[in-house]
Amino acid sequence: KQEVTQIPAALSVPEGENLVLNCSFTDSAIYNLQWFRQDPGKGLTSLLLIQSSQREQTSGRLNASLDKSSGRSTLYIAASQPGDSATYLCAVCHSSYKLIFGSGTRLLVRP
Amino acid sequence: NAGVTQTPKFQVLKTGQSMTLQCAQDMNHEYMSWYRQDPGMGLRLIHYSVGAGITDQGEVPNGYNVSRSTTEDFPLRLLSAAPSQTSVYFCASTPTGATSGNTIYFGEGSWLTVV
Repeated sequence: KQEVTQIPAALSVPEGENLVLNCSFTDSAIYNLQWFRQDPGKGLTSLLLIQSSQREQTSGRLNASLDKSSGRSTLYIAASQPGDSATYLCAVCHSSYKLIFGSGTRLLVRP
Repeated sequence: NAGVTQTPKFQVLKTGQSMTLQCAQDMNHEYMSWYRQDPGMGLRLIHYSVGAGITDQGEVPNGYNVSRSTTEDFPLRLLSAAPSQTSVYFCASTPTGATSGNTIYFGEGSWLTVV
């Protein structure tokens, strides 16, 4: 059974710091991995999607990497800003209809 | 551009009551799904649909029913609410399956408390 783990569960950093969020999964037979952002009281917003054949994806200050063989992905946030404060979730895609989510990392960027 | 719309946003139910959470999307997406999110846990799939008239069970379907009579709407029915169904519910849609790499759009959630 696929399990997705995110470490740390919570993170507090000063503004301007570069940071890394971690996601690990137990079954490497995935189609893709996605990173989402969730603001309090809101739904999820897709940030980056990495297909299983890819190693990384970049969008602005965000960079996500995927090492399928080791079951790991990282989300790198450069020059963090208070507006980056949110919960970040990773999810692996096992089939056309189902994503398996981690429990998220709650990020606070202090001004 | 409405995207995925969920109603109600908040609801309090008594044990044993039934209710329907509404979900509508205006993007003509074939795939729609319902997830629940509980504290300290990831989202878990309840039911999903790959097109009008086609639904199937996800990971945690017990106590819930769905139907998909139109492409736009995918309501989730709680048959006899239990305190264990206290959760935040999210509806999601995507043009085709998640394997294709299409963006998945989520509604803003429905907070349900069963007392």
